[in-house]
Amino acid sequence: EDKVVQSPLSLVVHEGDTVTLNCSYEVTNFRSLLWYKQEKKAPTFLFMLTSSGIEKKSGRLSSILDKKELFSILNITATQTGDSAVYLCAVEGSGGSNYKLTFGKGTLLTVNP
Amino acid sequence: DTEVTQTPKHLVMGMTNKKSLKCEQHMGHRAMYWYKQKAKKPPELMFVYSYEKLSINESVPSRFSPECPNSSLLNLHLHALQPEDSALYLCASSQETGTGISFHLQFFGPGTRLTVL
Repeated sequence: EDKVVQSPLSLVVHEGDTVTLNCSYEVTNFRSLLWYKQEKKAPTFLFMLTSSGIEKKSGRLSSILDKKELFSILNITATQTGDSAVYLCAVEGSGGSNYKLTFGKGTLLTVNP
Repeated sequence: DTEVTQTPKHLVMGMTNKKSLKCEQHMGHRAMYWYKQKAKKPPELMFVYSYEKLSINESVPSRFSPECPNSSLLNLHLHALQPEDSALYLCASSQETGTGISFHLQFFGPGTRLTVL
């Protein structure tokens, strides 16, 4: 069975801090790793990673994948209160007979002013 | 149009009611998904439709019945639900579930918050 483990499960920081969120995985036939941000409703897409060592960047957020060590990190620099959310890591694999996303439990990030 | 829409936003139903959740996308995506998300938990996959055919059923109880009338629409019919079925029901879509690298990127709808009394 595919597994995705995120750490920490929750994190409280002050505005301006830099945070690193971790995601490790064990999946059959890895295809991609995705990061989503979930506030009150639906998860919104942040990054899709398929290749090791290539950093994806969007503003203050960046992410990188290590397929050898089976993990990814999501960095957020100069955090703002609007970054407060649950950050979900999901990995697409075929643990079973069909490809599907397996989600980690998420990291709850709280950014205080 | 780059969004997935879901109706209703909120639904309260009794255990003897029959109701349906609706999901729509106009991105030309050929794969659509239903997820169930309980509070403070990650989404759990329920069903996957690929090219309007059911391709994955994650051992979901028969009181949940999915339907894909066409490539843009996905319904979830609910009957004789239990209070523990109360959750956020998320619909997602992707271009397909095939082999292309970006074709399976899933976009989520806003969800339907379901309460079963």
